[in-house]
Amino acid sequence: NAGVTQTPKFRVLKTGQSMTLLCAQDMNHEYMYWYRQDPGMGLRLIHYSVGEGTTAKGEVPDGYNVSRLKKQNFLLGLESAAPSQTSVYFCASSLGRGWADTQYFGPGTRLTVL
Amino acid sequence: GDSVTQMEGPVTLSEEAFLTINCTYTATGYPSLFWYVQYPGEGLQLLLKATKADDKGSNKGFEATYRKETTSFHLEKGSVQVSDSAVYFCALSDTSNTGKLIFGQGTTLQVKP
Repeated sequence: NAGVTQTPKFRVLKTGQSMTLLCAQDMNHEYMYWYRQDPGMGLRLIHYSVGEGTTAKGEVPDGYNVSRLKKQNFLLGLESAAPSQTSVYFCASSLGRGWADTQYFGPGTRLTVL
Repeated sequence: GDSVTQMEGPVTLSEEAFLTINCTYTATGYPSLFWYVQYPGEGLQLLLKATKADDKGSNKGFEATYRKETTSFHLEKGSVQVSDSAVYFCALSDTSNTGKLIFGQGTTLQVKP
């Protein structure tokens, strides 16, 4: 049981390049989330999904897109990377609604945009 | 909107000292409250949670009580260890049906031998 895994662990991009971050969970969770972590700002929600085939915007969605084609996977895309997107990205999943269920986090992806 | 405010760090303590990390929140409705811990180089792990007023969450010697009257959820531990060195995040659940968490900015704890 791997829990929540993220690929890749580290990545360096040049401004304007694109990439996709993959999050996978093997706990049959319905809800999945993408957060970014920046110094002194805690974690901020980018996008989330309440089930296969659904996505919704979080607090800071601009510059990102997501897809949830399979229940176990949640992809985060950057179409044209900018230095402001340098951050650590965390994926999380939960069985149900966050107020009743624990969110389980992946180990993170450290992204640098030059 | 909903928000969480934590005391600023870093907090530096000697081993076996008493720990308090303050957390206050602003929310409409009745959110659940959480403390997450992040060890160096790792993702976040749930430390404890409380789902209604006056509930006390506890785990690994840490405790926090949901105080609705003071809108607080302070984290305490009676005797810290070097292994408790980490970043601690207070969070509340969005009171809609989305399951979103709103995090404080995090407090770094360093425990010295």
